[in-house]
Amino acid sequence: KQEVTQIPAALSVPEGENLVLNCSFTDSAIYNLQWFRQDPGKGLTSLLLIQSSQREQTSGRLNASLDKSSGRSTLYIAASQPGDSATYLCAVRGTQGGSEKLVFGKGTKLTVNP
Amino acid sequence: ETGVTQTPRHLVMGMTNKKSLKCEQHLGHNAMYWYKQSAKKPLELMFVYSLEERVENNSVPSRFSPECPNSSHLFLHLHTLQPEDSALYLCASSQEAEDEQYFGPGTRLTVT
Repeated sequence: KQEVTQIPAALSVPEGENLVLNCSFTDSAIYNLQWFRQDPGKGLTSLLLIQSSQREQTSGRLNASLDKSSGRSTLYIAASQPGDSATYLCAVRGTQGGSEKLVFGKGTKLTVNP
Repeated sequence: ETGVTQTPRHLVMGMTNKKSLKCEQHLGHNAMYWYKQSAKKPLELMFVYSLEERVENNSVPSRFSPECPNSSHLFLHLHTLQPEDSALYLCASSQEAEDEQYFGPGTRLTVT
């Protein structure tokens, strides 16, 4: 059974700092991995999707990497801003039956202080 | 309206009530999903519909009953709920079942 872990559970940084959020998964047989952002009481916004054949994806100040063999992904946020404050969720999709199923971590709650 | 919409945004119901949550996607997608998000737990997949047919039922209690009348609409019918069912219920859609998922804003459900 796939399990996704995100560390740390919460992170507080000053504005302008570069930071890394971590995601690990137990079963390396994944189809893709997706990073989401969730603002309090709101739905999820997809940030980056990495296919299993890819090593990284970039969008603006965000860079996500994937090391499938070690079961790890990182989300790098450059020059953080107060507007980046949110919970960041990592989710993986398996390659076996039920490939439509995303398995989520509990998220990292990020606070960027002005 | 664009994207994925959900109504109502907030719902308070008693344990004996019957209510329904509605989700609509305006993206032309073929797959739709219901998720439950409880405090301090990961998002849990409840149901998946692909081309209006249910393809996954993740051991959800029968007091939750999904309905997908067409590829744009998804309902979650609720009856005889328990206080522990209080959570944020999120709907999502994707082009095909294995594609990137797009989420709605959620319905905050409180069962009293």
